[in-house]
Amino acid sequence: DTEVTQTPKHLVMGMTNKKSLKCEQHMGHRAMYWYKQKAKKPPELMFVYSYEKLSINESVPSRFSPECPNSSLLNLHLHALQPEDSALYLCASSRSGGLTNEQFFGPGTRLTVL
Amino acid sequence: DAKTTQPPSMDCAEGRAANLPCNHSTISGNEYVYWYRQIHSQGPQYIIHGLKNNETNEMASLIITEDRKSSTLILPHATLRDTAVYYCIVRVAGTASKLTFGTGTRLQVTL
Repeated sequence: DTEVTQTPKHLVMGMTNKKSLKCEQHMGHRAMYWYKQKAKKPPELMFVYSYEKLSINESVPSRFSPECPNSSLLNLHLHALQPEDSALYLCASSRSGGLTNEQFFGPGTRLTVL
Repeated sequence: DAKTTQPPSMDCAEGRAANLPCNHSTISGNEYVYWYRQIHSQGPQYIIHGLKNNETNEMASLIITEDRKSSTLILPHATLRDTAVYYCIVRVAGTASKLTFGTGTRLQVTL
């Protein structure tokens, strides 16, 4: 299994809602990532988990809360988002946090905040 | 991470080789060159990476100049399915994991 799966594919939420994005991989990878991609822009790193511990937070607002309950799962909890948070949210995984290990990306969750 | 410069767009006829250039003039000795691509509405896909030697896999070839200040990704026989944004990324040793995407090259393969 060489896939990273993400659910849901699409999500529409209001500014007062709480929702979660889910990411799963069964490749035995021990590093997992969240990226955010606005329309017509490149992906931007948000968070990195290495061995289930948060290792990089790119100064992301606290309304985004990541969680890595085990080595196969990565969640992104969303609360009190703003319309400008509408974007494609991409999850990725790699063998470890090492330099030469390529990242495998999921198809993304397209989030719309009303 | 070293900054990369890529042309914003390129066209290629189907069946011909697509040569995508990337400048990384400030690259240092322990930085690798990575290429990813993103087909419309999909997640990025790893293509190839290299340090200083030329590399080839089933998808593409990577040619790195001797001074390592630039590289070229070669898709030997482009197809319509290769239409995508191609990102050249240089990664610093020690800043584990982080991929910093530039603006990339939008490759349009045409009949």
